[in-house]
Amino acid sequence: NAGVTQTPKFRILKIGQSMTLQCTQDMNHNYMYWYRQDPGMGLKLIYYSVGAGITDKGEVPNGYNVSRSTTEDFPLRLELAAPSQTSVYFCASSYRREENIQYFGAGTRLSVL
Amino acid sequence: KQEVTQIPAALSVPEGENLVLNCSFTDSAIYNLQWFRQDPGKGLTSLLLIQSSQREQTSGRLNASLDKSSGRSTLYIAASQPGDSATYLCAVSNTNAGKSTFGDGTTLTVKP
Repeated sequence: NAGVTQTPKFRILKIGQSMTLQCTQDMNHNYMYWYRQDPGMGLKLIYYSVGAGITDKGEVPNGYNVSRSTTEDFPLRLELAAPSQTSVYFCASSYRREENIQYFGAGTRLSVL
Repeated sequence: KQEVTQIPAALSVPEGENLVLNCSFTDSAIYNLQWFRQDPGKGLTSLLLIQSSQREQTSGRLNASLDKSSGRSTLYIAASQPGDSATYLCAVSNTNAGKSTFGDGTTLTVKP
């Protein structure tokens, strides 16, 4: 059981470049989330989705876009990368039920230089 | 806006000690509260989830309590071991959509 899988694990971007962070889950969870974690800090929610075709902004959505065409996949797109987007990005998913325990991927470490 | 604070930011204890990690939140109208463990360079692992109607949850040597009226939760670790060394994060959800507000974490070091 793979759980939540994120690719790539590491990436270095130049300022102004674009990229997509991939996230897929095999637990048939309806809810999926993207967070970023800056050094020594907690996680901040970027975007979330409550099901295929439905997405909404979190606390820090500027500079990012998401899509959710299937239950399994929830890619995060960075357009025109900036040094402020240097961070570790985590994808998570949870059941659409009362408990809502979140399961996390291993993260993508991104540097923008 | 929900704000979550964890104190202390770092804690170092000798092996075998019982210890308490603290989490406080500003909006008491929560749906649930979750404690996570994060090892260096890794993702988060859920330890315990407490629903708003519950007072505590237990798993092995871990016990988490919730006092909504005072906006506080504690994570109690009994008989600490070097393997417990990690960062512990508290996350509060105000809705059942799972949108969580995280604290900055407490980094625990258990010395042999």
